[in-house]
Amino acid sequence: DTGVSQDPRHKITKRGQNVTFRCDPISEHNRLYWYRQTLGQGPEFLTYFQNEAQLEKSRLLSDRFSAERPKGSFSTLEIQRTEQGDSAMYLCASNQFRGRDTGELFFGEGSRLTVL
Amino acid sequence: AQSVTQLGSHVSVSEGALVLLRCNYSSSVPPYLFWYVQYPNQGLQLLLKYTTGATLVKGINGFEAEFKKSETSFHLTKPSAHMSDAAEYFCAVGRNNAGKSTFGDGTTLTVKP
Repeated sequence: DTGVSQDPRHKITKRGQNVTFRCDPISEHNRLYWYRQTLGQGPEFLTYFQNEAQLEKSRLLSDRFSAERPKGSFSTLEIQRTEQGDSAMYLCASNQFRGRDTGELFFGEGSRLTVL
Repeated sequence: AQSVTQLGSHVSVSEGALVLLRCNYSSSVPPYLFWYVQYPNQGLQLLLKYTTGATLVKGINGFEAEFKKSETSFHLTKPSAHMSDAAEYFCAVGRNNAGKSTFGDGTTLTVKP
């Protein structure tokens, strides 16, 4: 059973460039979450999907951020016109919702973004 | 809205000593409560969770936590620390069908030989 995988694990980019992260959840999981974690803080919720539907977006997710899960399997998180404040670890998690949510999240190892 | 406060960003204990990591939450509805552990260069993994039922919850690696509604607390304990317990620990609060969980800022546990 493979876990949640994220790619790339590290990305260094220059301010103003666009970056895209990919997340492959555990195959039977229908919910997929994106979180952001900066140094010294816990994960902050960005958005989540159930199948291909994006059910909630945080106000942290500015217009420069867009997430998709087109076929209800993998997801991408794109950041346009990156800023130095976007430097963080971007975490993906998944779980299975069957009418009742146990809330447990299965996390990937994260994609670390550094904006120069 | 829900929130989590973890008291003490760094906790240091000697090997064999009691581990106590504190977590207080705020929630307007019955909460789901979680402790996650993150080892260096690894993803967060679940230690234990409380949803309903017994308020004393046992998790992996000898950890346990007690849900105290009157104190809005969910402190994590382990009777005897091991060197391998050194990691960062996150408390989180969610609720049924909320989807997301809200995390505290984490507590780094150091275990001294």
